[in-house]
Amino acid sequence: DTEVTQTPKHLVMGMTNKKSLKCEQHMGHRAMYWYKQKAKKPPELMFVYSYEKLSINESVPSRFSPECPNSSLLNLHLHALQPEDSALYLCASSQEWGPQETQYFGPGTRLLVL
Amino acid sequence: AQKITQTQPGMFVQEKEAVTLDCTYDTSDPSYGLFWYKQPSSGEMIFLIYQGSYDQQNATEGRYSLNFQKARKSANLVISASQLGDSAMYFCAMREGVYNFNKFYFGSGTKLNVKP
Repeated sequence: DTEVTQTPKHLVMGMTNKKSLKCEQHMGHRAMYWYKQKAKKPPELMFVYSYEKLSINESVPSRFSPECPNSSLLNLHLHALQPEDSALYLCASSQEWGPQETQYFGPGTRLLVL
Repeated sequence: AQKITQTQPGMFVQEKEAVTLDCTYDTSDPSYGLFWYKQPSSGEMIFLIYQGSYDQQNATEGRYSLNFQKARKSANLVISASQLGDSAMYFCAMREGVYNFNKFYFGSGTKLNVKP
């Protein structure tokens, strides 16, 4: 079962709100990822967690705060976002790292910041 | 230089015909993996097929095959017998090296439209 789930599917928030995106996988994968994707563009890597520890932060603004409570869950906490942060946010996971490791993506959360 | 290049922003194909989506890559690392993903308008990135740099044979998965030409650094996706449900954006991606979490590069994508 190669399934990654994400909630919510859609989110509308104001610039002063605090919200969280959630991602879950039950494939026993040890690496999890957050991507941001603008319309008609490829996904851009934001964060990578390996064995529940933050491995990569691609210079993402501090208004995005990732959290990995356990090996199956990945959260992205949002605070004081800007309208330009409106995008599709994709979560992915992979068994390990290395060139042969396939990343499996969730359905994404479409975020609109007003 | 771009790591992954997809030169076809959009393509049309007649239903039931085969179509080739182009992808070239650039790396000096001998160990790398090449991936193709499909993204329908719903947004989910669906993994289609994988080719490793040391694989001797071209990868195949059902109607999908990957035409891997290592010397030319190309990894074209071939979809046989196109179906209406194949209409989507297709991304080529590469992962290079070992223990490099962030080295997963995407191309700009090709929008495929299948005509009835």
